Amino acid sequence: GENVEQHPSTLSVQEGDSAVIKCTYSDSASNYFPWYKQELGKRPQLIIDIRSNVGEKKDQRIAVTLNKTAKHFSLHITETQPEDSAVYFCAASPTFSSGSARQLTFGSGTQLTVLP
Amino acid sequence: GAVVSQHPSRVICKSGTSVKIECRSLDFQATTMFWYRQFPKKSLMLMATSNEGSKATYEQGVEKDKFLINHASLTLSTLTVTSAHPEDSSFYICSAIIRVLSNYGYTFGSGTRLTVV
Repeated sequence: GENVEQHPSTLSVQEGDSAVIKCTYSDSASNYFPWYKQELGKRPQLIIDIRSNVGEKKDQRIAVTLNKTAKHFSLHITETQPEDSAVYFCAASPTFSSGSARQLTFGSGTQLTVLP
Repeated sequence: GAVVSQHPSRVICKSGTSVKIECRSLDFQATTMFWYRQFPKKSLMLMATSNEGSKATYEQGVEKDKFLINHASLTLSTLTVTSAHPEDSSFYICSAIIRVLSNYGYTFGSGTRLTVV
């Protein structure tokens, strides 16, 4: 099955600096890579996602890059703000050959702290 | 749109009792529901996949007789933790596949904090 590894487990940055979180995956059939922000006791919130037919996607201060050859993808947050402090999870999922989606496999999470 | 309503949000039960968690898809049909468990400061770990009208598929190491999953309709999936013990205390969350334009995505329930005393 799929195995997703995420680094670092904790990350502290100064407000205004950039933060980068990296993930690798093992299943070459994976083609959907979402990133979630989770606050304590809450459901994961999708912040950005990328599919295997693109290499980069950007939404304001957040960007994701994907390298299918190397099987890794990264989350980039620029101009960080204290409210960006949370746990971030990467995930990956493949589709069946019929086009049906399968379950998400999550990375281990990164606790991001943005220091004011 | 594409909301999954999960109840209860918090539950405290005594050891040996059973607890049922419900996930309802409010404005779409969820043929597949994924059930995850999350321990404090840990990731979401898939427990089982339920498909409407058929038996659930459990991940390795998850006891199917302890975690009973029922997906009797296209809008309701339930997880029952039977004979709960303190080690079952965790955050349980369901997730369903949704259509996003010509692709797919995932929506999550709000989670259930189970405490077994």
